[in-house]
Amino acid sequence: DAGVIQSPRHEVTEMGQEVTLRCKPISGHDYLFWYRQTMMRGLELLIYFNNNVPIDDSGMPEDRFSAKMPNASFSTLKIQPSEPRDSAVYFCASSYLRDSDEAFFGQGTRLTVV
Amino acid sequence: RKEVEQDPGPFNVPEGATVAFNCTYSNSASQSFFWYRQDCRKEPKLLMSVYSSGNEDGRFTAQLNRASQYISLLIRDSKLSDSATYLCVVKVAAGGTSYGKLTFGQGTILTVHP
Repeated sequence: DAGVIQSPRHEVTEMGQEVTLRCKPISGHDYLFWYRQTMMRGLELLIYFNNNVPIDDSGMPEDRFSAKMPNASFSTLKIQPSEPRDSAVYFCASSYLRDSDEAFFGQGTRLTVV
Repeated sequence: RKEVEQDPGPFNVPEGATVAFNCTYSNSASQSFFWYRQDCRKEPKLLMSVYSSGNEDGRFTAQLNRASQYISLLIRDSKLSDSATYLCVVKVAAGGTSYGKLTFGQGTILTVHP
């Protein structure tokens, strides 16, 4: 397996534009997580899915953020409209159901909103 | 209060030193525990799981105290290659709300110098 695949790797956009981040989890994994990482706040959990169903979206900062998982092999995180304070690295991770199983991360999308 | 709190760091130690990181968690439904390592501008990767009886992997020793909701990581004989950010991670167990939720601490930066 190629691991968790995220795209794009880098995104530079202007304030007010819509941004869509994409993630392909490892095949067979039950859980998918979206995290945001900044120097100030560290790695924050935004939302996670179990079997394509959102379980906890309490970390989504505001209504400008939305996430979907239409099938087991694809998820998107959308920001509309984007703001400079959304600049961060966004990671997607996936794991199995079992408690002992680790989460595998994608390489992240570095988002810069100017 | 954050769900997972770590030593603020950063830690700067000479090669060969022993260094310990501490972590506390607030969710008593947490069942699985991990230490992840993150290199600069890379994604987090699993360093080791933490078991109730404590466990060792080469120069790394992890301890868990469920009563105090406390986790630790000890690194002996530090190497230059150990320089990274170390992240404490807790996973909510089955039966709890937000089952499967994976929460990261802020991370502790370690720099090992010659």
